[in-house]
Amino acid sequence: KQEVTQIPAALSVPEGENLVLNCSFTDSAIYNLQWFRQDPGKGLTSLLLIQSSQREQTSGRLNASLDKSSGRSTLYIAASQPGDSATYLCAVGRSGTYKYIFGTGTRLKVLA
Amino acid sequence: DTAVSQTPKYLVTQMGNDKSIKCEQNLGHDTMYWYKQDSKKFLKIMFSYNNKELIINETVPNRFSPKSPDKAHLNLHINSLELGDSAVYFCASSQGQEGYGYTFGSGTRLTVV
Repeated sequence: KQEVTQIPAALSVPEGENLVLNCSFTDSAIYNLQWFRQDPGKGLTSLLLIQSSQREQTSGRLNASLDKSSGRSTLYIAASQPGDSATYLCAVGRSGTYKYIFGTGTRLKVLA
Repeated sequence: DTAVSQTPKYLVTQMGNDKSIKCEQNLGHDTMYWYKQDSKKFLKIMFSYNNKELIINETVPNRFSPKSPDKAHLNLHINSLELGDSAVYFCASSQGQEGYGYTFGSGTRLTVV
């Protein structure tokens, strides 16, 4: 059974810092992995999708890496801004299942 | 133009009632989902439909019945509501099973009193 864990559960940093969010999963037989952002009272927004054959994906100040063999992914946020404050969720997809297993989330607060 | 829209946004109802939540997507996706987010913010899949066919039913009580009249709609009907059903329910859609274009609705906050 796939379990997805995110560390830390909460993080508070001053504006401008580079930071790393961690995601680990127990079953390496994944199809892909996505990072989502959730703002309070709103739905989830997809940030980056990494296929199982890829090592990383980049979008603007965000970089996500994937090490399937060790069951880990990291989301790197460069030069953090107050607007980055949100909950970040990673989700792993298993081939043929049409579903994602979500992690527990990291609640990020960037202080101005 | 809202890509995945859910109605209602808030729903407060008494135990034992029957209620429905509607979801529509205008993205042309062929797969739609219902997720439940509990009070601890843990998000868990309930159902998935691909081209109107049920693909996933994650040990959800029979009181929950999804209905997909067409590819663009996936509604959730809940019978005999219980206190433990209180949560935020999210609808989502994607193209195929690979997760491309995974898009969530803004959620329906259900409170059972």
